[in-house]
Amino acid sequence: DTGVSQNPRHKITKRGQNVTFRCDPISEHNRLYWYRQTLGQGPEFLTYFQNEAQLEKSRLLSDRFSAERPKGSFSTLEIQRTEQGDSAMYLCASSSPGSLRFFDEQFFGPGTRLTVL
Amino acid sequence: AQSVAQPEDQVNVAEGNPLTVKCTYSVSGNPYLFWYVQYPNRGLQFLLKYITGDNLVKGSYGFEAEFNKSQTSFHLKKPSALVSDSALYFCAVSPGTYKYIFGTGTRLKVLA
Repeated sequence: DTGVSQNPRHKITKRGQNVTFRCDPISEHNRLYWYRQTLGQGPEFLTYFQNEAQLEKSRLLSDRFSAERPKGSFSTLEIQRTEQGDSAMYLCASSSPGSLRFFDEQFFGPGTRLTVL
Repeated sequence: AQSVAQPEDQVNVAEGNPLTVKCTYSVSGNPYLFWYVQYPNRGLQFLLKYITGDNLVKGSYGFEAEFNKSQTSFHLKKPSALVSDSALYFCAVSPGTYKYIFGTGTRLKVLA
């Protein structure tokens, strides 16, 4: 399968612990996005990478959240000192730019479901 | 503020009947509009998009969407619904930047 993959698929952790999620985009895609989705809501933008550069980080994210894409391939999203409000589905998507404008469809991974106890 | 609205949490339709899932948006400039579908335990899948040109856009699985600039709407349609179309549908808009904005989703239930 050459789609977007995310690991782990599920993560249960205790409040205060750190967690890290991984996203492997489609290999030729250089745009990578992280979203958070809670029950009854659509995906909310968290951050965006163009190759290895993190070009935007949502104001929704506190300083406890950090994301990296060190070699412009896979990406990690880390949450430090998790809180119960962090419980959500974390989605990764990638796309291949057809132009400088943003009208390319995104390819989504299956998501990582985080439960903070 | 830029936003996308899907006014119906759920749409029920009988198999074989036409379906419409509504979406309106509030974005400055000329937005790019998308529909995605989410099946249980699977990632969102792209259905179709509007960039420019013909207001009627055709996409995957027999779906189409009509862009109406004056009403700022982008409703998803299909002439004849299938039970397998039952899923969660999301409308999304890109105002020309990387910050895609998604609606809250509409659950489509096609009844046999």
